[in-house]
Amino acid sequence: DIQLTQSPLSLSASVGDKVTITCRASQTVNKNLNWYQQKPGKAPTVVIYATPSVQSEVPSRFSGNGSGTEFTLTITSLQPDDVATYYCQQSYSYPRTFGQGTKVEIK
Amino acid sequence: QVQFVQSGAEVKQPGASVKVSCKASGYTFTSWPIHWVRQAPGQRLEWMGYINTGIGYTRYSQKFQGRVTITRDTSASTAYMEVSSLTSEDTSVYYCASGFCGSDCFILEYWGQGALVTVST
Repeated sequence: DIQLTQSPLSLSASVGDKVTITCRASQTVNKNLNWYQQKPGKAPTVVIYATPSVQSEVPSRFSGNGSGTEFTLTITSLQPDDVATYYCQQSYSYPRTFGQGTKVEIK
Repeated sequence: QVQFVQSGAEVKQPGASVKVSCKASGYTFTSWPIHWVRQAPGQRLEWMGYINTGIGYTRYSQKFQGRVTITRDTSASTAYMEVSSLTSEDTSVYYCASGFCGSDCFILEYWGQGALVTVST
C-alpha cells in the first residue's frame, strides 16, 4: 500500500496568512493526488483533484502542486471559513489511501 | 442535484454484522462507481472498497477482504455495504462517496452524510 505522510499535523495561522501543507508519498503517485477539506461533524469535500485541478466553486486562494512523491496544498490568504482538517489522498493505485490529516486553525 | 442519503446510526454487539445503505439521486445511478470510506473517532479517512454500479464489479482493500461486502440494487439506485464479525475497532462513521472527472481521473466529489456504527456490549 502507498503510505501518505502529511506535515505539519496541525498549524495555527492568522487571517490573511499564506499556509502550506505537504504530503509525501512512499512511492510515486504521478499526479494522482487529491486534497479534501473536512469540517467537524461533516463529510469531506474535494478541494483539489488530479493535482493541480481545483474543484469548481472552490475559492481561488486554494492551489495544489507537485508530482511523483511530494505535493503541497497552499492557501494564499487564510480565511476563517478555511478552519478544517485537510487530507491528501492518492488515486494512483489500490487501495486508495489517505494522509493523517492536517488541522488548520486561526490564531 | 446529486445527493447520497445514507441509513441511520446503528449500535451493534461484537460479532454481529451491520449493513449500511446509500441511496443516490440526481444522476444516472449506473454511471459512476460508489466508494465506501470510514473514519474512526479522531482518525484518518480509510478507503474500504468500491462497486462498479453498472456491472456490479467490486474491489476491496485487502484489510477488509472477506469481511466486507458491497452490493447494489440498480432498481432502487441504492448501494449497500455490509461488515461482518464486528469488533470495537469497527466503531466509525461510514461514508459512501462518488463522482466522475474523466476516464483517467478519480474524484470523490459527492458524499453521503455518514452513518455512525457503534460496536459495544
